[in-house]
Amino acid sequence: DTAVSQTPKYLVTQMGNDKSIKCEQNLGHDTMYWYKQDSKKFLKIMFSYNNKELIINETVPNRFSPKSPDKAHLNLHINSLELGDSAVYFCASSQVSAGRTGELFFGEGSRLTVL
Amino acid sequence: QKEVEQDPGPLSVPEGAIVSLNCTYSNSAFQYFMWYRQYSRKGPELLMYTYSSGNKEDGRFTAQVDKSSKYISLFIRDSQPSDSATYLCAGLTRSGGYQKVTFGIGTKLQVIP
Repeated sequence: DTAVSQTPKYLVTQMGNDKSIKCEQNLGHDTMYWYKQDSKKFLKIMFSYNNKELIINETVPNRFSPKSPDKAHLNLHINSLELGDSAVYFCASSQVSAGRTGELFFGEGSRLTVL
Repeated sequence: QKEVEQDPGPLSVPEGAIVSLNCTYSNSAFQYFMWYRQYSRKGPELLMYTYSSGNKEDGRFTAQVDKSSKYISLFIRDSQPSDSATYLCAGLTRSGGYQKVTFGIGTKLQVIP
């Protein structure tokens, strides 16, 4: 039973299109994240939601809009895709509560290629 | 300057060798330090974490932190081909419900049988 699952695993699309990636976690965690891993394998945080509230929003273009309908789901919608958006997008979750350090549990990634 | 600096490698070693992976960091607000392992086309998974200066051992793996010099190390003893992966060091800041993990670029390790 997969802990953090993302769909789709692969996305190939044209510049200018809009696409969405979905993430679900069944670990009961209160915090979910989107990370972007570029072609140089650098893994950089984009967004974090704690109990459906946006708490981290790094310097990300407005074309990227996350949505968390509930604690177990975090989606990422990308408008007007550009070549530079090509990357692997990882969803992660953790339990962040008083006195605990939340280990990040990652999904397998969604590989986006923009042509 | 990136908050966590790491040599991307690749690093190639023969099976059985001792491997030393290193990072430096610049953010004094980091409270915890972690090593994640990422196999090809998979998500990273936590290998070890520590919050204080000194050593922490787990089987063949030892994590070392020196806060005075802002230096993080991971040692792998008796390396195995199954250890071939990318190793990412990371620093964590947290406050209440806020937690942010910042990663280095990762060092790609290949253990040759």
